[in-house]
Amino acid sequence: DAGVIQSPRHEVTEMGQEVTLRCKPISGHNSLFWYRQTMMRGLELLIYFNNNVPIDDSGMPEDRFSAKMPNASFSTLKIQPSEPRDSAVYFCASSHSPGQRNTEAFFGQGTRLTVV
Amino acid sequence: AQKITQTQPGMFVQEKEAVTLDCTYDTSDPSYGLFWYKQPSSGEMIFLIYQGSYDQQNATEGRYSLNFQKARKSANLVISASQLGDSAMYFCAMKTAGNNRKLIWGLGTSLAVNP
Repeated sequence: DAGVIQSPRHEVTEMGQEVTLRCKPISGHNSLFWYRQTMMRGLELLIYFNNNVPIDDSGMPEDRFSAKMPNASFSTLKIQPSEPRDSAVYFCASSHSPGQRNTEAFFGQGTRLTVV
Repeated sequence: AQKITQTQPGMFVQEKEAVTLDCTYDTSDPSYGLFWYKQPSSGEMIFLIYQGSYDQQNATEGRYSLNFQKARKSANLVISASQLGDSAMYFCAMKTAGNNRKLIWGLGTSLAVNP
């Protein structure tokens, strides 16, 4: 099993540019989560999908952030326009149905985003 | 309110000794699950152990065990026989039906294992 695959691993961009982060969940998992991790705030859930449908996007910080899951094997998180305060590590995670209490989430290796 | 509290920002332990990382939680939901994850310096998040609120016994996974005290709402992680490779950040997390079944995270504890 390849695990959750995220790309790119590192991204450096200039303020104002569009950034797209990509995620391929584990095959067979029907829940996908996007997290942001910073020293100040720790791990924050941005959005999660169940069966490709966004269930809870209350963590998305503002309209500059958007996420899509066009099919069960691919999701994107887009920031447009990017700002320096968006600099963080962005994790994608997947799991089986969130209805199971004991279903752990499997994480990708993260994308380290730096906006200068 | 659903909340996870990890009160130890940093911990040190001598190699081969045991260490306990604290986690307390707050929820009014009678059904919940508690998770511990490890994040080494390489950045990936690694699942370690799970404890369900209705589980009668404390969870164990190799050198990891969970000291679950339901009345105190604590779910401390115990690492026995610490190894240098245990140096990492450790996160406690909770999942409840009442919170849309998404994981709520603590801020983590940084563990350093000294040789």
